[in-house]
Amino acid sequence: EDKVVQSPLSLVVHEGDTVTLNCSYEVTNFRSLLWYKQEKKAPTFLFMLTSSGIEKKSGRLSSILDKKELFSILNITATQTGDSAIYLCAVGGGGSQGNLIFGKGTKLSVKP
Amino acid sequence: DAGVIQSPRHEVTEMGQEVTLRCKPISGHDYLFWYRQTMMRGLELLIYFNNNVPIDDSGMPEDRFSAKMPNASFSTLKIQPSEPRDSAVYFCASSLTFRNQPQHFGDGTRLSIL
Repeated sequence: EDKVVQSPLSLVVHEGDTVTLNCSYEVTNFRSLLWYKQEKKAPTFLFMLTSSGIEKKSGRLSSILDKKELFSILNITATQTGDSAIYLCAVGGGGSQGNLIFGKGTKLSVKP
Repeated sequence: DAGVIQSPRHEVTEMGQEVTLRCKPISGHDYLFWYRQTMMRGLELLIYFNNNVPIDDSGMPEDRFSAKMPNASFSTLKIQPSEPRDSAVYFCASSLTFRNQPQHFGDGTRLSIL
């Protein structure tokens, strides 16, 4: 069965800390791995990764994929209270061509 | 640019009633997805469409759930009859293609069945 596992499930840090969120997967016909940030409403797209070892970066956020070990990490440096959210990892693949398989998410709380 | 638009934002109804959720995808997007999110199970894909045609409905929990996409700019998810265990946030998402294109989500409909 295809699955995506995120860790930790929740995390509390203080402003200025650096955090690393983990996503491991076992998905047939892997196409891509995506990271989303979900605050109170819709998940918003952060990154899409398709190739191993190539870091994607946007401001204080960065992510990298390891297709050999089947995992990805999302790093956030110099965290701010506005980074508080649930971070979702999703993998495109599986038996259905259009499908994204989501992990349960990591809830990040950044304290002032 | 307008994103994915869902309505209503909140719905509270009694069990047994019919519920209809609506979605307008981003113009030009060929794929439309319906998801359900709960604390226990996270985000689960219910069904998705390509060019208005249902491609995979294996995630639809049972026959009480149905979805249609009569045209490229509108889709509905219907639950009839509704049950308390259907309470969840229902998201609609759309994407330009499926291959290596992100899905863009609407703000969701928070459904409560009493």
